[in-house]
Amino acid sequence: EAQVTQNPRYLITVTGKKLTVTCSQNMNHEYMSWYRQDPGLGLRQIYYSMNVEVTDKGDVPEGYKVSRKEKRNFPLILESPSPNQTSLYFCASRPQGAPGYTFGSGTRLTVV
Amino acid sequence: GQSLEQPSEVTAVEGAIVQINCTYQTSGFYGLSWYQQHDGGAPTFLSYNALDGLEETGRFSSFLSRSDSYGYLLLQELQMKDSASYFCAVRDRNSGNTPLVFGKGTRLSVIA
Repeated sequence: EAQVTQNPRYLITVTGKKLTVTCSQNMNHEYMSWYRQDPGLGLRQIYYSMNVEVTDKGDVPEGYKVSRKEKRNFPLILESPSPNQTSLYFCASRPQGAPGYTFGSGTRLTVV
Repeated sequence: GQSLEQPSEVTAVEGAIVQINCTYQTSGFYGLSWYQQHDGGAPTFLSYNALDGLEETGRFSSFLSRSDSYGYLLLQELQMKDSASYFCAVRDRNSGNTPLVFGKGTRLSVIA
């Protein structure tokens, strides 16, 4: 089944403890992106990638890192999480030349 | 940069027609997309307009007027399952890449 898989689905962590949210797609898509969703603010882009080893900042990149070493994987790294990073995170991918993104099921992160 | 405006909430009766408007400001327009998101779910791609006019996909249609920087999503024969949030999104060609920027979403409530 063609899909974007994020793990974990739910995570509660403490301030300052490094964490990684994984994202993998099995559709050979070139473009991948991370969004966070907060009430009243909609979906805001954190980072995106146009292909392997090509990444760029979105609208809210502070406190996040990404890497794209392989086409299928695009992990989101929080080196030192803070409570303001408590949010619902979505990974998404799309093929070059097609307009629609396929989203993962989301990761609900709570930083205490 | 880009900005998008859409109503925060819309209520409509089952079986009726509803239109969700979206106005945008962008330095270089590339296309207008629409996504649907049910509570607790991931956004799913509905439609994309790159050129002026109406695109129809079953009960859903999407319209774009580039000269007015305006588009809308039209939902016909509303069903209870259409209750969800709907997001418009734009891609900005002039940025040299293709990140997707979302509006804050319109929550549609379908009532009996």
